[in-house]
Amino acid sequence: DTAVSQTPKYLVTQMGNDKSIKCEQNLGHDTMYWYKQDSKKFLKIMFSYNNKELIINETVPNRFSPKSPDKAHLNLHINSLELGDSAVYFCASSQDGDRGLREAFFGQGTRLTVV
Amino acid sequence: RKEVEQDPGPFNVPEGATVAFNCTYSNSASQSFFWYRQDCRKEPKLLMSVYSSGNEDGRFTAQLNRASQYISLLIRDSKLSDSATYLCVVKGDGYALNFGKGTSLLVTP
Repeated sequence: DTAVSQTPKYLVTQMGNDKSIKCEQNLGHDTMYWYKQDSKKFLKIMFSYNNKELIINETVPNRFSPKSPDKAHLNLHINSLELGDSAVYFCASSQDGDRGLREAFFGQGTRLTVV
Repeated sequence: RKEVEQDPGPFNVPEGATVAFNCTYSNSASQSFFWYRQDCRKEPKLLMSVYSSGNEDGRFTAQLNRASQYISLLIRDSKLSDSATYLCVVKGDGYALNFGKGTSLLVTP
């Protein structure tokens, strides 16, 4: 069983389109994230949700809208896609422990290419 | 100043060598520290957590110096399969794990 699964794995789309990426975790974790990894390989946090509540919303264009229907799911919807949105998007989850956040488990990533 | 800083490398070492990576972080209140490994076109995977007293897992040793806000990873007896990017990760404010840009390691025969 895959712990954190995201779909699709690859997404090629035209500028201006709207697309969604889905993420599910079966680890029972309370916290889920979206990270963006650009061509320079830097992993930058976009959003963090804890128990379905938005906790972190980094400087991300409002074309990006996360949705958490329940604590096992965190989907990412992107409107009006731009060339600069091309990147690998990783979903992850983690659980709070006594001493702070425990490690995060990542999905396989969604490689988004905007043409 | 970035939250987590690492030397990007690349580090090219022969098999059997010992190699050390360093990382500094800016938030003195950070409580959780990790080293992750990322292979090309794959997701990051936890290599090891880093504890205050330092910890070892086989050929890998992690150290934390809170006073200097410095984390290290030592790899002994490098294997070809250790070639990857090593990411230093520090818990930020709230629910965020902040990643360094990664250090690239290439182990050669």
